[in-house]
Amino acid sequence: SQKIEQNSEALNIQEGKTATLTCNYTNYSPAYLQWYRQDPGRGPVFLLLIRENEKEKRKERLKVTFDTTLKQSLFHITASQPADSATYLCALVKGGSQGNLIFGKGTKLSVKP
Amino acid sequence: EAGVVQSPRYKIIEKKQPVAFWCNPISGHNTLYWYLQNLGQGPELLIRYENEEAVDDSQLPKDRFSAERLKGVDSTLKIQPAELGDSAVYLCASSSPNLTSGRYNEQFFGPGTRLTVL
Repeated sequence: SQKIEQNSEALNIQEGKTATLTCNYTNYSPAYLQWYRQDPGRGPVFLLLIRENEKEKRKERLKVTFDTTLKQSLFHITASQPADSATYLCALVKGGSQGNLIFGKGTKLSVKP
Repeated sequence: EAGVVQSPRYKIIEKKQPVAFWCNPISGHNTLYWYLQNLGQGPELLIRYENEEAVDDSQLPKDRFSAERLKGVDSTLKIQPAELGDSAVYLCASSSPNLTSGRYNEQFFGPGTRLTVL
């Protein structure tokens, strides 16, 4: 069966450290992968998109990698801040799905001052 | 620019009652999505519209759920009758084709409607 797994439900780190979140998938051939941030009581907010032929994408303190051999994406937040505390969702765009997103459960990140 | 607007933000009803959710997407976005999000889970697609056409409603429980987007702008999602298991957050999102990145663009989400069925 098709699955998307985000490595942990919760991740606690100290301010200033790098947070690394993992997204693994099985039985998909995604054309794209996206990462979203969701705060309590709010809808998800788009952060980054990476295509299947891209290895890495950066945006300010954020970095995403995409390894189609390992079927894995890593999401990094460098120099983390308490304001980065939120739930982070990875989402696959299935090839041929016309852009439909398949979301993981999310990882709740807490950055302690 | 206004974001995706949803109303109501919260709704409490008794089981077997009908309920409706409204969504107004970002101006100019021709693609509209309705998602269901259970606590601790990611959003799950219910239906996708391209303008006024429902192009993917394969995950919509059609025995009790219905949706419409008559003029290709705002949309309504209805549940009739509601069941206890329908308690969740209902999210609306919109997107627009982007010539640079192709059809797989970011989606813009509204704040959602939290439904509680008693």
